[in-house]
Amino acid sequence: DAGITQSPRHKVTETGTPVTLRCHQTENHRYMYWYRQDPGHGLRLIHYSYGVKDTDKGEVSDGYSVSRSKTEDFLLTLESATSSQTSVYFCAISWDSNTEAFFGQGTRLTVV
Amino acid sequence: GDSVTQMEGPVTLSEEAFLTINCTYTATGYPSLFWYVQYPGEGLQLLLKATKADDKGSNKGFEATYRKETTSFHLEKGSVQVSDSAVYFCALSSLWGGGNKLTFGTGTQLKVEL
Repeated sequence: DAGITQSPRHKVTETGTPVTLRCHQTENHRYMYWYRQDPGHGLRLIHYSYGVKDTDKGEVSDGYSVSRSKTEDFLLTLESATSSQTSVYFCAISWDSNTEAFFGQGTRLTVV
Repeated sequence: GDSVTQMEGPVTLSEEAFLTINCTYTATGYPSLFWYVQYPGEGLQLLLKATKADDKGSNKGFEATYRKETTSFHLEKGSVQVSDSAVYFCALSSLWGGGNKLTFGTGTQLKVEL
């Protein structure tokens, strides 16, 4: 299995509070991704990174920011959490942009 | 934009039955196609892939053929087992910004009963 660790695995937070999710990889893959999974929508891309300090928006990026200061870590921040951001968040990595992605175990976030 | 459509679930089958999960796509160019599987409480795992027209991906008894003329990538297995119970996602790799991203279907839940 690819070495991908997401933390925390579960979190409950209040509306309006900041939340940071962490993705850590030990595979030295260049590309890292954050997806959210919601019923009826499959997985949707939030942000991705193609190198240290190189990030770009995905299709559902509003309300989220990311940072990648090291190859192995990709952080997803909700500046002010809303109930619509209640979801399961998956980190993924890939060696290059056209190969299959390997996924972490997911983080279940509940905003109350 | 690019999109993936897969059949609604849940699909319930008896053990040893034949499985088909339909997947069609809309994309510009020639995307790579994938099937991912998600077991309860886990992340997605790559099941199989195909990178060009007429390629057949296969793994663990599952197969899917990249059909450009019908823009389809249907998943099949000749004899399912209870352990195949999971959610299956069809996906394509498409251009996005400086790289590629995976576009997923909504997933099809498979339940296999004894």
